[in-house]
Amino acid sequence: ETGVTQTPRHLVMGMTNKKSLKCEQHLGHNAMYWYKQSAKKPLELMFVYNFKEQTENNSVPSRFSPECPNSSHLFLHLHTLQPEDSALYLCASSQDTGLNQRKLFFGSGTQLSVL
Amino acid sequence: GQQLNQSPQSMFIQEGEDVSMNCTSSSIFNTWLWYKQDPGEGPVLLIALYKAGELTSNGRLTAQFGITRKDSFLNISASIPSDVGIYFCAGPNSGGSNYKLTFGKGTLLTVNP
Repeated sequence: ETGVTQTPRHLVMGMTNKKSLKCEQHLGHNAMYWYKQSAKKPLELMFVYNFKEQTENNSVPSRFSPECPNSSHLFLHLHTLQPEDSALYLCASSQDTGLNQRKLFFGSGTQLSVL
Repeated sequence: GQQLNQSPQSMFIQEGEDVSMNCTSSSIFNTWLWYKQDPGEGPVLLIALYKAGELTSNGRLTAQFGITRKDSFLNISASIPSDVGIYFCAGPNSGGSNYKLTFGKGTLLTVNP
């Protein structure tokens, strides 16, 4: 496999459920990101990890909890979500968070629906 | 924060036509990026621009870094059905050594065969 792989591709969950999104990159990159994509809105940066350390939390509600066990894997743990959290969640990676962040490689995303 | 304004929001064209779209900002950018998102996929980087006035091509795509450094343009020549998708412009905000990308809302392109 190459590139950035996200699972699952689709997820439907109730507001009381707990679920996790998974992202894996096979590019040897050191930085990984979670973005939220809602209809008719710009991509919203949620979290940034560089060398497994969280360097950015863009005022994301605590019902979203990221985890980065190593530079190749990134998780987004979800609990007690709201219907307005329904969106496409994109994982991305780059060589690092400096100027190389200009070249992001995205996964295909997880389309999340919260009922 | 910085905002990028893309226009048009959407375009419906016939196969074979040329397409132009642009992206403007109220602040100066030192880099302009153009991404394309196919339906059901994540965005993919098409073209990166690093100098004011720079004109760069990638196949039928040509992008320009505006002289004022506050705008960029993307042109697609002789469109084909697989050009369908959302085209995003993006640029980095700089805060010390940590860069964040700001994205526009995108231009949705539909190509009628």
